[in-house]
Formats: sequence, C-alpha cells, structure tokens
Amino acid sequence: QKEVEQNSGPLSVPEGAIASLNCTYSDRVSQSFFWYRQYSGKSPELIMSIYSNGDKEDGRFTAQLNKASQYVSLLIRDSQPSDSATYLCAASATSGTYKYIFGTGTRLKVLA
Amino acid sequence: NAGVTQTPKFRILKIGQSMTLQCTQDMNHNYMYWYRQDPGMGLKLIYYSVGAGITDKGEVPNGYNVSRSTTEDFPLRLELAAPSQTSVYFCASSSAGAQETQYFGPGTRLLVL
Repeated sequence: QKEVEQNSGPLSVPEGAIASLNCTYSDRVSQSFFWYRQYSGKSPELIMSIYSNGDKEDGRFTAQLNKASQYVSLLIRDSQPSDSATYLCAASATSGTYKYIFGTGTRLKVLA
Repeated sequence: NAGVTQTPKFRILKIGQSMTLQCTQDMNHNYMYWYRQDPGMGLKLIYYSVGAGITDKGEVPNGYNVSRSTTEDFPLRLELAAPSQTSVYFCASSSAGAQETQYFGPGTRLLVL
C-alpha cells in the first residue's frame, strides 16, 4: 500500500515565526508533489508544487524535496493567523499515472 | 468562469436510497476526479476520468459508479447508500495528468442515516 504520511498536529507557532510542515512518501517512483491548504469546511487549494530535488520558493512559502530520503517539506515564513488551516501533502501515485495519494494533513495554528 | 461546481451542497439520505452527485467544470479539462474525505482524514480517490468515455477506479470505488459522457460533466452515483458513505465528497479537475494542478469544487456533504 503506497502511502503519504504527515504528522496530524496541531502544530502551533507564534505569529511571525517559521512553520515547518513535513511529509514522507513510500513510493520511490513518485514524480510530482503538491501542498494544498484546506480551511475548515472548505475545499483544498494548491499552495505549491515541486518536481525536482531542492528548494522552490513562492513568496512566504518554500517547498523542499529530497527524493533520496522520500521527504517533502513546506516552510511558511512570517506565519500569519490567516495561515491557520490544515495542510495536505500529495504525491503522484506512480510514474505516468494520473492519480494522487494524499496524506491525512497537518493542522497548523498560528497564535496571534 | 465558475471553475468546478458541485450540487447539492448537502444531502441527507436514508439507508438503501440512491442519489447522484453532480460535478461540472468549465475549464475544458480532460482529467476529472472524485474524492471522499472523512473527518480528520485525507482525501481518498473514488474514481477518475482521463477524458469523455474513459473512467477508472481509484482506491475506494465500492458502492459508487461514474460516467463521463461529456468533457464538462462527471457525475458520481451512489447505489444503496450505507452509513459508511457518510462523508464530504470533492470533485476535482486538471488540464493534464500528474504534474498539473487539481482544481477542487466546493464539496458535497452527505449524511446517510
């Protein structure tokens, strides 16, 4: 059973701090990785996608991918109360397919 | 441009009843997906489609059926509803396969009693 694992949290950080969210995946052939943000009662929305080893930055968000360690992370700098949500990690199921496997999500609380 | 729309927003079913969850996208996307999300859990793929007339099973297809007669529409059919199907159902679409962003609809909350 191919899996994507995340710590369910909640992860609590003070406003202005860096929030670090982590994700591991079991399928070595996964090629694409995504971070979605989901507010309570709402649908997921894409924050970042990453396909290559290394870092990818977009504003306050940085995604990091290490395929050798099968590890993906999301850093949120200068965390704001509006960042409080559940963050879902997703990986493509296997190379060449159109399916994704989602983790159970990490709940982030940014304390004002 | 409405994106992905789903109806109904909320529905209560009795055990054994059937219903169809509607999903429509206006982005001309070939790929469409149905997920369910149980409380505190991630998204589980029920069915997906890579184009009109082509569908395939995901992780949890039992108790559900789909059809894709047009690019825009991807309805999900529940036959003989069971309490285990109480969940929030999300439809999503993307322009290509596994490297493209999935756009999600607002969800349908289903309660089976």
